[in-house]
Amino acid sequence: EVQLEESGGGLVQPGGSLRLSCAASGFSFSSYGMHWLRQAPGKGLEWLSYIGRDDDIIYNADSVKGRFTVSRDNAKKSLYLQMNSLRDDDTAVYYCARTLGASIFGVRYPFYYGMDVWGQGTTVTVSS
Amino acid sequence: DIQMTQSPSSLSASAGDRVTITCRASQGISRHLIWYQQKPGKAPNLLIYGASYLQSGVPSRFSGSGSETEFALTISSLQLEDFATYYCQQTYSAPPTFGQGTKLEIK
Repeated sequence: EVQLEESGGGLVQPGGSLRLSCAASGFSFSSYGMHWLRQAPGKGLEWLSYIGRDDDIIYNADSVKGRFTVSRDNAKKSLYLQMNSLRDDDTAVYYCARTLGASIFGVRYPFYYGMDVWGQGTTVTVSS
Repeated sequence: DIQMTQSPSSLSASAGDRVTITCRASQGISRHLIWYQQKPGKAPNLLIYGASYLQSGVPSRFSGSGSETEFALTISSLQLEDFATYYCQQTYSAPPTFGQGTKLEIK
């Protein structure tokens, strides 16, 4: 079964750090780009970070640049999100998701096929 | 960044109704548009990619249309399991931005 499972969430004080993990199973992890996204309570989806199959491309949302770092270990079939300098507004359910890109007329679109497999989410609460 | 705007933000409908949700991009994105469905407490589920291509396993009552800046998701005959929140997302360029969501509720 194709599956993603996040872990590492919890309660942390403002200014603190957490490292989220996403374990992949049932598919060739190294063949897919991977995303981190989040959803604050009662709010919509917010994309955070993307990492290409071979760490070749990394994109980050402005809201987390300089604070969050995405990485992956293809040998361990795992994705990570190191979160530093956490703020109250980082409180959310955090999801990992996989994606496939496409080349169209010679232009590479790394997210073209969307996020077709998601984890169940891990909750991060930032509060004193 | 490309801004995505959905309308309406919420919608009440009855089982069997035909409903359409629209999504507007702040600049042309060709057909690089995704639709997701999300139910409470669950991760989103990909319905449509490339503006109109149905993801495997998604019922044929869902369809997508549009290009460049104007897109639509249509559900031809609502089933009870379709009452959920729907999001569009552009995959044309980073960051891959989402619309704010459309909550589809039972009338």
